[in-house]
Amino acid sequence: DGGITQSPKYLFRKEGQNVTLSCEQNLNHDAMYWYRQDPGQGLRLIYYSQIVNDFQKGDIAEGYSVSREKKESFPLTVTSAQKNPTAFYLCASSRQGSTGELFFGEGSRLTVL
Amino acid sequence: GEDVEQSLFLSVREGDSSVINCTYTDSSSTYLYWYKQEPGAGLQLLTYIFSNMDMKQDQRLTVLLNKKDKHLSLRIADTQTGDSAIYFCAGGDTDKLIFGTGTRLQVFP
Repeated sequence: DGGITQSPKYLFRKEGQNVTLSCEQNLNHDAMYWYRQDPGQGLRLIYYSQIVNDFQKGDIAEGYSVSREKKESFPLTVTSAQKNPTAFYLCASSRQGSTGELFFGEGSRLTVL
Repeated sequence: GEDVEQSLFLSVREGDSSVINCTYTDSSSTYLYWYKQEPGAGLQLLTYIFSNMDMKQDQRLTVLLNKKDKHLSLRIADTQTGDSAIYFCAGGDTDKLIFGTGTRLQVFP
């Protein structure tokens, strides 16, 4: 079945370490997104990409990096520069020219020890 | 930029109707959306409404849009325990949706 796969579902990291979250989609969608979710704050956009080899910063890009080398993949690296990385991270994709519906993965929960 | 606000909690009895409200600031959104998030999972689109519509009904769901007041609501008829979740409204450009804070709906017997 088509969908978005995020891994790992749970991740623990020591302070000062970088960590990469995987996001893969087989929906043939052009656009992909990374959101961060914190309790009581809704979803905040970290980075998005509308086409391969191109991406834009969202509202809270500091301390994060992404790449988009393949249409299907949009990994997110949480670097040691991110001051408060403990959160639930959601990857999404959408089809260009659609009503804008986002398809979400199941999320990755990152905890910094 | 767009700002989207929702109340944080709503508690209803099973079988009653639930109404979840949302206010937004950017009236240029082409579509406005309602998403549902179950515990520990991603979001799923429940329904959306085109900005030139006032109402959309889809089975137990009714969306009302008041463009003058920039107010969006989601009514769930005959609320069931399976409707317990967090509900997000969202608007903005299709390339950059802005989500509300989410309303946690709790349904009790």
